[in-house]
Amino acid sequence: GNSVTQMEGPVTLSEEAFLTINCTYTATGYPSLFWYVQYPGEGLQLLLKATKADDKGSNKGFEATYRKETTSFHLEKGSVQVSDSAVYFCALSDLSGNNRLAFGKGNQVVVIP
Amino acid sequence: DGGITQSPKYLFRKEGQNVTLSCEQNLNHDAMYWYRQDPGQGLRLIYYSQIVNDFQKGDIAEGYSVSREKKESFPLTVTSAQKNPTAFYLCASRTSLTGTYGYTFGSGTRLTVV
Repeated sequence: GNSVTQMEGPVTLSEEAFLTINCTYTATGYPSLFWYVQYPGEGLQLLLKATKADDKGSNKGFEATYRKETTSFHLEKGSVQVSDSAVYFCALSDLSGNNRLAFGKGNQVVVIP
Repeated sequence: DGGITQSPKYLFRKEGQNVTLSCEQNLNHDAMYWYRQDPGQGLRLIYYSQIVNDFQKGDIAEGYSVSREKKESFPLTVTSAQKNPTAFYLCASRTSLTGTYGYTFGSGTRLTVV
C-alpha cells in the first residue's frame, strides 16, 4: 500500500540556518505529494504541493521537488526564522477512488533565536 | 470566508460516556475525514465520507461512529468502547476532484478523559 516515511526525531536549529526534512514514499502510479505544517494547538495547513515528477512546490521560502527516481519529496528552506517552529508532515494522495491522504509521522522543528 | 469549524476546542469526558465532536464546512466539499493525532504517531484515519449518507471505516474505526446526513456536517462520536480516547482529533474536507487537491483542515478538538 501507499506509505510515507519521514526522518526520525525533532530538528533543532538556529535562526538563519538551512533546513532539510527528508521524505520518501512508496506508492503505485504517480501520486500527488504534499507538505503540511502544524503550529502549536492548531490544525494542519497546506504548505506546498507537487503533482508530477520533477515539479517543484514552493511557498513562504520553502521548496520541495518531486523526485520519482528516488521516490522522495524533501522539504528545504534556506534561512529559517523562529516563526517556522512547527510540526511538518509529508503526505501523498491515494490514487484509488477514495482519495485518501497518507501522512508521514511528522517532524517537530524548533528554531532557536 | 470558507473553512472548516470544529467544536468544541477542548472536551472532557468521563469514563463510560459517549461524546460527540462537531465538524462543519462551508466549502461545498464532497469528502470529509476524521483523523486522530497522538504524539509521535502522526495522523491516523478514523472514518471518511465521500458523499452524503455514505461513509467508510478508516484504519482505527473501533470505538467510534459517524454520520453524514448533510453535506456540510460530519460529526464524530467517541463511544465508551474506545478504550484510549485521549487525543487530538482533526476533521478535514476536500473537493471530489481526484489527484491534485489536498485537504483543508479544521483547528482540532482536544479530548481528555477525566
